[in-house]
Amino acid sequence: DTVLTQSPALAVSPGERVSISCRASEGVNSYMHWYQQKPGQQPKLLIYKASNLASGVPARFSGSGSGTDFTLTIDPVEADDTATYFCQQSWNDTWTFGGGTKLELK
Amino acid sequence: EVQLVESGGGLVQPGRSLKLSCAASGFTFSDYAMAWVRQAPKKGLEWVATIIYDGSSTYYRDSVKGRFTISRDNAKSTLYLQMDSLRSEDTATYYCARSDWEYYFDYWGQGVMVTVSS
Repeated sequence: DTVLTQSPALAVSPGERVSISCRASEGVNSYMHWYQQKPGQQPKLLIYKASNLASGVPARFSGSGSGTDFTLTIDPVEADDTATYFCQQSWNDTWTFGGGTKLELK
Repeated sequence: EVQLVESGGGLVQPGRSLKLSCAASGFTFSDYAMAWVRQAPKKGLEWVATIIYDGSSTYYRDSVKGRFTISRDNAKSTLYLQMDSLRSEDTATYYCARSDWEYYFDYWGQGVMVTVSS
């Protein structure tokens, strides 16, 4: 299975720019997607196929990357962005998620 | 408005069975693949199974192959997950999710809790 590795936690101040990384153990082309999950809620799609903004998602969110290295960027960060962010690959037919990056605001 | 509503969760003993349902509305159910994704308490997301739009192909993670069966009834716009031989490690919140044809999950239900314990 393709293993996706994310850093476990980040802390930033409101108004700053933050980049959340996801590294795949093998190439997944551009088939990387990003989700936001707030405590007690279901995940929400933010970015699909590496760089496409999902419907209704603020333009403060953006995605980049291809192959094995991907980045979710939030600029500027707002207080409401406190959440855990997961990457997910769908390049093969065994879909996997990263372990999640918990974003905290200072 | 797309809505996915899961039901059927609960407390079950190891080795027993449980069947989850997911009622879909707000879109043409038969046009989309569907999936189950689970999340153990305080843990990350784990894909469980996917079924394509017409039910002709299904995919499972290794740890549930032979124990879980994903199915769908397009006439009822309902997705199912039959879970047999349940283990303690299957304890999780199970989410129903709509899957785009490129297999990302664009809509999610609220989730249903399954606890496997004696």
